[in-house]
Amino acid sequence: DQQVKQNSPSLSVQEGRISILNCDYTNSMFDYFLWYKKYPAEGPTFLISISSIKDKNEDGRFTVFLNKSAKHLSLHIVPSQPGDSAVYFCAASEISGGSNYKLTFGKGTLLTVNP
Amino acid sequence: SQTIHQWPATLVQPVGSPLSLECTVEGTSNPNLYWYRQAAGRGLQLLFYSVGIGQISSEVPQNLSASRPQDRQFILSSKKLLLSDSGFYLCAWGVAAEQYFGPGTRLTVT
Repeated sequence: DQQVKQNSPSLSVQEGRISILNCDYTNSMFDYFLWYKKYPAEGPTFLISISSIKDKNEDGRFTVFLNKSAKHLSLHIVPSQPGDSAVYFCAASEISGGSNYKLTFGKGTLLTVNP
Repeated sequence: SQTIHQWPATLVQPVGSPLSLECTVEGTSNPNLYWYRQAAGRGLQLLFYSVGIGQISSEVPQNLSASRPQDRQFILSSKKLLLSDSGFYLCAWGVAAEQYFGPGTRLTVT
């Protein structure tokens, strides 16, 4: 049972336009959400996060939106740049065993930004 | 600042051979530590996590084990590798809900 879903395996956008990456989740116990960027043969890099008590968090070109009622979050990249081309993973966190924060990842979306 | 190291970067091992992957973290104390695996075309699967020295929790039954002999050292092991153990292994450290990943080890079992 996939608790975090990224339904688009790939997305292609033009440089300078907006990239919108989507993520859906099913577990109501998730209370923190994160986006990671991953290049081939490298570890994921943390991009931006949002607490479940907020509906928007912005950091430079990156904005994450959370719709708790729909159990949906999205990552907006504006303007998109060729260097943004990578696989983007959505992750959701729940506390487990008192002091461990367990992340559940989606399968990722490959973003290609064309010059 | 915190840094996380993993080695080796790549590894090719025959079926039935042992495995030891090491991860160390600098610049933080008593972090939560994690081992993940990314199989080809799939997302990240949590294998083990540790909230302290000697404390290991396993997420999925498998051919692997983990140990945390020191506060900032996390080791992934196997006595006998299977073909299905091939993948990209990632170590991460965490503070609260945010986790930060190492560069990964590409393991190919032949």
